[in-house]
Amino acid sequence: EAGVAQSPRYKIIEKRQSVAFWCNPISGHATLYWYQQILGQGPKLLIQFQNNGVVDDSQLPKDRFSAERLKGVDSTLKIQPAKLEDSAVYLCASLSQGGVYAGELFFGEGSRLTVL
Amino acid sequence: QQPVQSPQAVILREGEDAVINCSSSKALYSVHWYRQKHGEAPVFLMILLKGGEQKGHDKISASFNEKKQQSSLYLTASQLSYSGTYFCGTVNTGTASKLTFGTGTRLQVTL
Repeated sequence: EAGVAQSPRYKIIEKRQSVAFWCNPISGHATLYWYQQILGQGPKLLIQFQNNGVVDDSQLPKDRFSAERLKGVDSTLKIQPAKLEDSAVYLCASLSQGGVYAGELFFGEGSRLTVL
Repeated sequence: QQPVQSPQAVILREGEDAVINCSSSKALYSVHWYRQKHGEAPVFLMILLKGGEQKGHDKISASFNEKKQQSSLYLTASQLSYSGTYFCGTVNTGTASKLTFGTGTRLQVTL
C-alpha cells in the first residue's frame, strides 16, 4: 500500500514570497490533516478535511495560509506571503477507517520550509 | 488546548525503564501515542479510548486515566531503537476528530 506522498521535500524562499505544498493521501482515506511542526515542538494542527469539506481550520492563519482539497483526494497548502516564523516542517497526514477514535494517522515525510 | 508532557527529555541506558506522562486540562475521549525519529515523520504506537483501557505491544505499554485526564507511556527494558521524540495526541470530548499533539518528550537510549 502506497503511503502519504508529499512534495516538495525541501523549499527555501525569501520572506514575502509564496510557496505551495502538495499532499496525496493513502487511497480511500477520507480525512486529511495538515500540521505545522516548528523545530523542537509538537505538530500543530492547521486544517482538517473530511472528503473535500473543512472540518477544522481554527488555527490556520487565514490572512496568509490557504488550503484546498478538490475532489476529496489530494490537497494543496499555500502560504502567501511567507514570514520568517513560517519556517517549519509541514506534515500531511491521512486517517484510516474508523475515525480518529479508532484509527491511526499516517504521516507523509513532510515538507521542510526555510524562510530567509 | 495542547496537552503537557513530562519529562521534557530523558536519557536511559539500554535495558532501563522509562515512563512518559501526558496531561490534559480538558476531558479526554482518547489518547494517541506517536514516536518521531530525527528527520522522519511521526509513527503511530497505540490508541487508548475512554474507559481506562491499558494497551501494550512488545515492551511498550500505556494507560489512560480519564478521571485525571492523564495517560502514561511505559517503556520497559529500553532498546537503542526506542530513541526518538514521543508525542501524545489527545482527542477531547466534543471536538469531533481533532487530534492535538503534546509538547513532546525526547528519549535517548545509550549503550
